Amino acid sequence: DIQMTQSPSTLSASVGDRVTITCRASQSISSWLAWYQQKSGKAPKFLIYKASILENGVPSRFSGSGSGTEFTLTISSLQPDDFATYYCQQYNSYPYTFGQGTKLEIK
Amino acid sequence: EVQLVESGGGLVQPGGSLRLSCGASGFIFSSYDMNWVRQAPGKGLEWISYISSSSSTTYYAGSVQGRVTISRDNAKKSLYLQMNSLRAEDTAVYYCARATSLYGMDVWGQGTTVTVSS
Repeated sequence: DIQMTQSPSTLSASVGDRVTITCRASQSISSWLAWYQQKSGKAPKFLIYKASILENGVPSRFSGSGSGTEFTLTISSLQPDDFATYYCQQYNSYPYTFGQGTKLEIK
Repeated sequence: EVQLVESGGGLVQPGGSLRLSCGASGFIFSSYDMNWVRQAPGKGLEWISYISSSSSTTYYAGSVQGRVTISRDNAKKSLYLQMNSLRAEDTAVYYCARATSLYGMDVWGQGTTVTVSS
């Protein structure tokens, strides 16, 4: 199985900050990586696919990059609505696997 | 509107069974592969099962292999997860999610909660 490792596990930041979350795969997954945002008690929200393509309606302050085994999710200027938990997920092969999540907290 | 709605969760005793359902609307259900993903309380997301659009191919996570069966009825636009021999560690919110080779899992339901406890 492909292991996905996210860092950091928790990130404290302020409104307006630029933040970056890293996701590493245990083997190459090309660009078959998705990012999700999840708020407490809610279903995950699909943000980015194929490592860098924003889903329709996702604000442009979100961006993704990377290929192979190293990926990043960047939020250019944090807004109050962005404080949530973020997950990366590989869909290169089954079993699909997720990172352990990064909780983005208000500093 | 593209939508997935899960149902069938509840409280069940260890060793018991439960059948989850997921109803689809707003898209051509029979054209899409589907997945089940779960999330234990306070934990991360765990993929547990996949079924192809025609039901010809299924996959299971090792944690549920042999205890869970995924199925679908394209005429009813519904996905199912039959869970047997339930354990306390199966307690989670269960989500169904639409799958594509390009997007991964792009549409998710709101989830249904399964609690395994005596």
